[in-house]
This record gives sequence, C-alpha cells and structure tokens, in this order.
Amino acid sequence: AQKVTQAQTEISVVEKEDVTLDCVYETRDTTYYLFWYKQPPSGELVFLIRRNSFDEQNEISGRYSWNFQKSTSSFNFTITASQVVDSAVYFCALYAGGTSYGKLTFGQGTILTVHP
Amino acid sequence: NAGVTQTPKFQVLKTGQSMTLQCAQDMNHEYMSWYRQDPGMGLRLIHYSVGAGITDQGEVPNGYNVSRSTTEDFPLRLLSAAPSQTSVYFCASSKLPGQGAYEQYFGPGTRLTVT
Repeated sequence: AQKVTQAQTEISVVEKEDVTLDCVYETRDTTYYLFWYKQPPSGELVFLIRRNSFDEQNEISGRYSWNFQKSTSSFNFTITASQVVDSAVYFCALYAGGTSYGKLTFGQGTILTVHP
Repeated sequence: NAGVTQTPKFQVLKTGQSMTLQCAQDMNHEYMSWYRQDPGMGLRLIHYSVGAGITDQGEVPNGYNVSRSTTEDFPLRLLSAAPSQTSVYFCASSKLPGQGAYEQYFGPGTRLTVT
C-alpha cells in the first residue's frame, strides 16, 4: 500500500524567510512518481512539480526547489525568500501504479502562512 | 481551452436527497477521477475511469455512483445524501498512467453541504 506523510500540519513564517515542507512516502513499487500541488485560498489545486523514481536530481524553479532522496524516501519542498502569495495548503502526492492504477495518494497537507 | 470544469460550485442538500455533480474536460484525457477533500485528510479517491464505458472504485466509493458515456464527461451521483458526505469534491483528468508524463489536472471543486 502507498502512504504519504506530511508531518507539518501548519507552518507560519515571516516574509523573506526560507521554509521547507517535508514529505515522506512509502511504496513497494520501484517505479513511481511524486508530486507537489499548491492549494491557494481560492481553493483550486495547482500542479507544481512531478518527479519520477529514476530521477534523483534536485530541481530549482525560481524561488522553489525540491530535494528528492530515495535513501530516506523523502521529497521535500523549499521556498526561498517566502512571500505572502505563497500562503496556501501544499500537498505532496504519490503515484505508484500496480494495484493502485491511476490512484494518487495524497498527504494530509501542510498549511503555510506567510506573514508580511 | 477550459481544462477541467465542474458544476455546481456550491450545493446544499438535505439528508436523503440525490444529486449529480458534473465534470467535463476538453483535453481528450482518457483518465478521469473524483476525489473528496476533508480537513486534515488530504484528498481521497472516490471513483475513477480509464475510458468511456470503464469505471472502477477508489478508496471511498460507498454512497456514490459514476458512469462514463463519453471521453469528455464523468458525472458523480450521490444516491441518498448523508451529512458524512459534506466535503469538497474535485474532479481530475490526465493521460492514462504509463503514457509518459503523468500529472492530473483538477477542476475548481464543488463544495457540498448536507444538512
């Protein structure tokens, strides 16, 4: 069975601080995909990144960066120099196929609040 | 290009009433799914479909029915609404898993309250 754990329920930072959102996953499959989604106060789910299990390179996109470590089954997300517009709920998700064909397994989400 | 659309955005039902949540996508995606989002629980899969005429149950299917008569549409039916079905419902679509790049595109959601 697949499982995603986001241990941080809520994080509060002041603007311009760096913040890291943790994601730990469990799967027995050797081929899988990991995702991060952002849910701003307006409620829609915005896709941020996909990473497959064979690609452990870290990725940077502007102020966002992702650290994928298979050895610790983690896929952490860092926002550098946070801004108020980064306030949202962030979800980590896993797709592993097999008997879970098509099913994204989501973590519980981390509520990020960035104060001015 | 509208992406994934859902109607209605908000709905209030009385216990025992039935209704259909509509979902449509214009990206020619074979895979479509319904999730519900409850506080502190992330999103949980209700039903999914890998093409017209093919549907299957997800993690929390009880109390819901789906059908897929076209590639574009994937309605979710609540047979007899219960307060436990108060939630935000998201429809999503994507290419079939295994067809290379795979990310699910989500609709704007339907906030349902059952009293």
